[in-house]
Amino acid sequence: DTGVSQDPRHKITKRGQNVTFRCDPISEHNRLYWYRQTLGQGPEFLTYFQNEAQLEKSRLLSDRFSAERPKGSFSTLEIQRTEQGDSAMYLCASSPGTGAYNEQFFGPGTRLTVL
Amino acid sequence: KNQVEQSPQSLIILEGKNCTLQCNYTVSPFSNLRWYKQDTGRGPVSLTIMTFSENTKSNRRYTATLDADTKQSSLHITASQLSDSASYICVVSARQDSSYKLIFGSGTRLLVRP
Repeated sequence: DTGVSQDPRHKITKRGQNVTFRCDPISEHNRLYWYRQTLGQGPEFLTYFQNEAQLEKSRLLSDRFSAERPKGSFSTLEIQRTEQGDSAMYLCASSPGTGAYNEQFFGPGTRLTVL
Repeated sequence: KNQVEQSPQSLIILEGKNCTLQCNYTVSPFSNLRWYKQDTGRGPVSLTIMTFSENTKSNRRYTATLDADTKQSSLHITASQLSDSASYICVVSARQDSSYKLIFGSGTRLLVRP
């Protein structure tokens, strides 16, 4: 399967714990995006990378959130001191370029439940 | 404020029937409009992408329309199948500085019953 993959698919954690998610984009896609989606809502933009550079962060990305893409390939999203409000689906997407019509290909998501 | 609104919020139809989902947007500057299908527990998958000059675009049993003047789009599903049960998300791309930002609607949850 050469699509976007995410790991783990599901994560259950206790409030206050740290969690880390991984995203492997489609090979050679320059752009990688992270979104958060809560039940009944569309995805909300969190941040994106152009190769290894993090170019934009949403105000939704509090200090407890950090994302990296150290070698311009896979990316990780870490949430420190999780809160119940962090429970959501975290989606990763990648695209081959920066043009207006470049399609974003989404991964299956990581569903986080904070108890 | 850039917004994408979809209606209805949810819809139940019988297998074989047609349905139309609506999308209204206030996004500027507009670049293109996309419809995504999202199965439960999965990531969204693109169905169509339309520029302001395209009025209609079809993908198998899905037909999207765009009226750039009224800032409205619709997605028509013909001869629905059980596998069409999913959320359908309208997404508008807006030019932002040297990049493009996607603004997502909340989706319409479609349930197709046998």
